[in-house]
Amino acid sequence: IAGITQAPTSQILAAGRRMTLRCTQDMRHNAMYWYRQDLGLGLRLIHYSNTAGTTGKGEVPDGYSVSRANTDDFPLTLASAVPSQTSVYFCASSDRWADTQYFGPGTRLTVL
Amino acid sequence: GNSVTQMEGPVTLSEEAFLTINCTYTATGYPSLFWYVQYPGEGLQLLLKATKADDKGSNKGFEATYRKETTSFHLEKGSVQVSDSAVYFCALSGGAGGTSYGKLTFGQGTILTVHP
Repeated sequence: IAGITQAPTSQILAAGRRMTLRCTQDMRHNAMYWYRQDLGLGLRLIHYSNTAGTTGKGEVPDGYSVSRANTDDFPLTLASAVPSQTSVYFCASSDRWADTQYFGPGTRLTVL
Repeated sequence: GNSVTQMEGPVTLSEEAFLTINCTYTATGYPSLFWYVQYPGEGLQLLLKATKADDKGSNKGFEATYRKETTSFHLEKGSVQVSDSAVYFCALSGGAGGTSYGKLTFGQGTILTVHP
């Protein structure tokens, strides 16, 4: 069982470019999440999805969008990247009725 | 809203030393509490959790007790190993009517380094 996979592992991106971070899970979890991790700030929730077809905003949603067309995939899109979006991005999932979250290995994004 | 405060790091210990990482929280209702660990270059893994007051979570020699009266969930281990070197995150879920579907609020993380 792979769990959660994220792609790419790392990326350097020019400011103003569009970028989609991919996240796929094979655990059939209903809920999925995107976090960003910044030094000294812990992890902050960007967007979440409780089930396929629904999404919600987290703590820091500005500049990001998500979609949840099916159970397994939850891509995160930066429409026009800015340097403040330089961070490590983690995707996570959980069963709808439980609250333990399982995390992917992360994507390190640098916006220049 | 919910918030989690962890002790400032980094924490540096010698092997076999006793570890405490303090964590306090603010939440309405009855949140679930977690400790996650992040090893270098990896994602977060659940270390232990507690879902109600006075519960003790334990795993791999680590323990934490859910103390509602002091709103705390301190992480302890009696004898640390070099392999315990990692970043430790305290987190909470729910607490505000239980409608969060597992959305986690994290502390800022504590870096632990254990020397031989």
